Amino acid sequence: EIVLTQSPGTLSLSPGERATLSCRASQSVSSSYLAWYQQKPGQAPRLLIYGASSRATGIPDRFSGSGSGTDFTLTISRLEPEDFAVYYCQQYGSSPVTFGGGTKVEIK
Amino acid sequence: EVQLVESGGGVVQPGGSLRLSCAASGFTFDDYAMHWVRQAPGKGLEWVSLISGDGGSTYYADSVKGRFTISRDNSKNSLYLQMNSLRTEDTALYYCAKDISSVGLPDYWGQGTLVTVSS
Repeated sequence: EIVLTQSPGTLSLSPGERATLSCRASQSVSSSYLAWYQQKPGQAPRLLIYGASSRATGIPDRFSGSGSGTDFTLTISRLEPEDFAVYYCQQYGSSPVTFGGGTKVEIK
Repeated sequence: EVQLVESGGGVVQPGGSLRLSCAASGFTFDDYAMHWVRQAPGKGLEWVSLISGDGGSTYYADSVKGRFTISRDNSKNSLYLQMNSLRTEDTALYYCAKDISSVGLPDYWGQGTLVTVSS
């Protein structure tokens, strides 16, 4: 199975700053089938990005995804107060579907 | 509006069984594959199982293969997870999720139902 490693584990930033989250796969992710989710405490995950770079319905354009092969990045251009949360990457190009361990974006 | 409501969680002893249900609305249920994904307390997400829209194909994580069975009743817009031989490590919040278009990508998620396996 494809193992996804997210870094850093925790990112401490201030509102208005840029956040860059990394997701590295143990082998190439087929057809860039890589997604990103946001999860806030007590809530279900919310799909942000799929196909490595396509924003899901209703997701603000401050969220962007990039990458291919084994290296992927989620960028939040300017952090809003509601963006402080845990972010997970997920690959769905190979069975089984796998998730990364998550990156927590916290207020500095 | 897509709605997914899980039920059936609870406390069960190791070796016991539990059946989870997920009631779906707001979309044409049999057009979409469905997932179960779990999250142990304070931990990350773990995919558990997937079933195709017609119920003819099912997939499982190795950690639950042979113990859990996913099924669906399209006439009732419902998804199920039969969990047998439960272990303490199965303790988690279990989410039901709709696939974006049967490619293995969950897009809408329910709020989850908590399963606790403890003696």
